[in-house]
Amino acid sequence: DTEVTQTPKHLVMGMTNKKSLKCEQHMGHRAMYWYKQKAKKPPELMFVYSYEKLSINESVPSRFSPECPNSSLLNLHLHALQPEDSALYLCASSQDRDRYYEQYFGPGTRLTVT
Amino acid sequence: AQSVTQLDSHVSVSEGTPVLLRCNYSSSYSPSLFWYVQHPNKGLQLLLKYTSAATLVKGINGFEAEFKKSETSFHLTKPSAHMSDAAEYFCVVSEQNSGYSTLTFGKGTMLLVSP
Repeated sequence: DTEVTQTPKHLVMGMTNKKSLKCEQHMGHRAMYWYKQKAKKPPELMFVYSYEKLSINESVPSRFSPECPNSSLLNLHLHALQPEDSALYLCASSQDRDRYYEQYFGPGTRLTVT
Repeated sequence: AQSVTQLDSHVSVSEGTPVLLRCNYSSSYSPSLFWYVQHPNKGLQLLLKYTSAATLVKGINGFEAEFKKSETSFHLTKPSAHMSDAAEYFCVVSEQNSGYSTLTFGKGTMLLVSP
């Protein structure tokens, strides 16, 4: 099983709402990632969790709050977002393969902030 | 610092003709290089990877890439394009850290396939 799942597929939220994105993998990977991707651009790294600890926060605004409850699950809590936060949010996971950490991506959540 | 340059933002081919997507990289040490494909409104799928075992790397769906250190290139090729190959392709260099990796993406090449 090389699948990373993400829910929901689509999300529309107002600027005062609170919502969460969920990512799950059952490959035994110990690193998980959140990326943001705008149209016609490559993904931009937001957060990295390694062994359930936050390893990288790429200066992401505090209205995005990540959480890693266990090694299989990664959440992204959203609050007071702005319209410019509308994007495709991708989750990925990786594990050591002969010292190379291949990242496997989920299908993404398409977020629209109104 | 590592960087990736994809030399073409768009490539157009006819179905059944060869595909060439060009990528140059910059890295201060032996790089790990990947090609990912993204179909519209989908996530990224790993096509192939170079991790120093062999310079010619075969991937899924008939794609392959050749690592050329002297040219700092990692071009992606396919002998015969199929309509389903139409997608965005990203060349990526990976830096290994303790327990995770960080990816540097090229800007992407959109492959258009006409009948």
